[in-house]
Amino acid sequence: DVKVTQSSRYLVKRTGEKVFLECVQDMDHENMFWYRQDPGLGLRLIYFSYDVKMKEKGDIPEGYSVSREKKERFSLILESASTNQTSMYLCASSRQYQPQHFGDGTRLSIL
Amino acid sequence: AQTVTQSQPEMSVQEAETVTLSCTYDTSESDYYLFWYKQPPSRQMILVIRQEAYKQQNATENRFSVNFQKAAKSFSLKISDSQLGDAAMYFCASTGPNTGNQFYFGTGTSLTVIP
Repeated sequence: DVKVTQSSRYLVKRTGEKVFLECVQDMDHENMFWYRQDPGLGLRLIYFSYDVKMKEKGDIPEGYSVSREKKERFSLILESASTNQTSMYLCASSRQYQPQHFGDGTRLSIL
Repeated sequence: AQTVTQSQPEMSVQEAETVTLSCTYDTSESDYYLFWYKQPPSRQMILVIRQEAYKQQNATENRFSVNFQKAAKSFSLKISDSQLGDAAMYFCASTGPNTGNQFYFGTGTSLTVIP
């Protein structure tokens, strides 16, 4: 069965810390995505990747970076965490034009 | 780019009744794909149903069906015989050959099922 695994369900970090969110998929999908989900705002795309070492900015990339060194793994990095980055983060993967498969999400709190 | 609009932030339905969630989209493409996703409280987002724009027939998956009106750019989700387990956030989404692999999501509709 399709599986997208996010490394943490809940994470608490402090302002100014460098934060890594990891996502792994086992479906050999070429596309991977990081979203941020906030009440009333739906899903907002942070970054996505359509191939190893390739990345594209989404709608809200400021304050974030990503890394995709292997096809199955897509990491989201908060370079210097701030309180306004407290949110639910969702990772997804897909083949081209096929439905996205989501992980369970990481609820990140920045104190 | 495409835009997806869900104008109903919240909806409610009596158990066993039928409810329709609205979604409109805006695209200049002739070929695209539409999806409805369900996100139960504190649980994973899962695909409910998909529709290819070139197909005239409305997609159906058990109690879930869509009303796809291509000219009106409308893609509503009908849930029949609603069950308590249908309570969730529902997101409408679109993608297509010229979106650069991106998906575009609406802001979601929170569905409450009343016993």
